[in-house]
Amino acid sequence: QVQLQESGPGLVKPSQTLSLTCTVSGGSIRSDGFYWSWIRQPPGKGLEWIGYIYYSGTAYYNPSLKSRVDISVDTSKTQFSLKLSSVTAADTAVYYCARYDSGSRAGWFDPWGQGTLVTVSS
Amino acid sequence: DIVMTQSPLSLSVTPGEPASISCRSSQSLLNSNGYTYLDWYLQKPGQSPQLLIYLGSNRASGVPGRFSGSGSGTDFTLKIRRVEAEDVGVYYCMQALQTPVTFGQGTRLEIK
Repeated sequence: QVQLQESGPGLVKPSQTLSLTCTVSGGSIRSDGFYWSWIRQPPGKGLEWIGYIYYSGTAYYNPSLKSRVDISVDTSKTQFSLKLSSVTAADTAVYYCARYDSGSRAGWFDPWGQGTLVTVSS
Repeated sequence: DIVMTQSPLSLSVTPGEPASISCRSSQSLLNSNGYTYLDWYLQKPGQSPQLLIYLGSNRASGVPGRFSGSGSGTDFTLKIRRVEAEDVGVYYCMQALQTPVTFGQGTRLEIK
């Protein structure tokens, strides 16, 4: 059973770069048909898709964040990572990683990691 | 972007009674492959979201039979046949037809 776990600093200063890693266990990050995703949730608010990446390196981003986001994958470590630059307080959120099933008859996120709170503050 | 609109935004239900949540998309979620790319998720208090329904009407593994999804095109409904205490949380619809993937605002369900 695939499990995902986020890790990274819980506090980032304004204007700096937020960096998080998601470690995949119980399955292969190189499996066909799956994209590895980042989704965030500001405190008390709804869900926002940030982007996802295929193990080949092909990535798709939310246009609202595209200029500041970079998602990468390290298949040797079964990890994928998120970098969000020039952060402000508006980027304070719980960040989730999740697997996106993109098969020919698929289109859903499952499973999700437990999430990690990142606070942007000086 | 496809805008997802849920109603109501909050719901208070007596255990054993039914519940229904509506989700409307700004454009049809029907793909050329014949599948409708609408999912439902439940975020229980203090937890990450979990998949309930995929492709409009298919229950995810382990999801109780009291949950059902229906609808087509731009109008969708999540129904809980008889609400139980463990169903509390926030329900989100989500479209996966095109990027950016977008979610509804969420509907908070509480038990009376």
